Amino acid sequence: DTGVSQDPRHKITKRGQNVTFRCDPISEHNRLYWYRQTLGQGPEFLTYFQNEAQLEKSRLLSDRFSAERPKGSFSTLEIQRTEQGDSAMYLCASSLPRLAGGPPRETQYFGPGTRLLVL
Amino acid sequence: AQSVTQPDIHITVSEGASLELRCNYSYGATPYLFWYVQSPGQGLQLLLKYFSGDTLVQGIKGFEAEFKRSQSSFNLRKPSVHWSDAAEYFCAVGGDSNYQLIWGAGTKLIIKP
Repeated sequence: DTGVSQDPRHKITKRGQNVTFRCDPISEHNRLYWYRQTLGQGPEFLTYFQNEAQLEKSRLLSDRFSAERPKGSFSTLEIQRTEQGDSAMYLCASSLPRLAGGPPRETQYFGPGTRLLVL
Repeated sequence: AQSVTQPDIHITVSEGASLELRCNYSYGATPYLFWYVQSPGQGLQLLLKYFSGDTLVQGIKGFEAEFKRSQSSFNLRKPSVHWSDAAEYFCAVGGDSNYQLIWGAGTKLIIKP
């Protein structure tokens, strides 16, 4: 079990540039989540995939944000035309699916995060 | 509205002393409750979780938490803290059909030598 990995760990960019982050979930996990965490706050949900399907997006996810999970494995989160307010830690998590009639297994396991600084 | 409240932004305890971190939640359905720990520059590590059954749950690193439905609380405890426990602790709630976790703002634990 290699855990959830994220790349890069840190990104500094200038306002107006585009950035892309990658998340590799735990291999048998078919659910993948993106969160954003600002200093002094808990994570805020951004979006969620089950396999390759993006099933929910938070209103926090503006049109400048797009996430994909094309083959149901790794995911990318792109931010276009970055703004200073986008500076935050972007966290990825993955979990097992809930089996019909079975006990809950949706414990989310988190990667180390990508810290974004927009200058 | 669904929410998680961690009333203490910071807590300072002496090494070897006992610890209790408070978590209160508001949730419209059966809650699943979690405590995560985040060390500086690190991701979130699951300490323990409550789904059902025994309301006192044991976690890693000697932590435990008790679910009290009547008080809508899920407080985290440790009988004797170590300097390595210094970190930020987050309480989160989710549900049976709700994949989103709702998080508290965190409590920063400071250990006095």
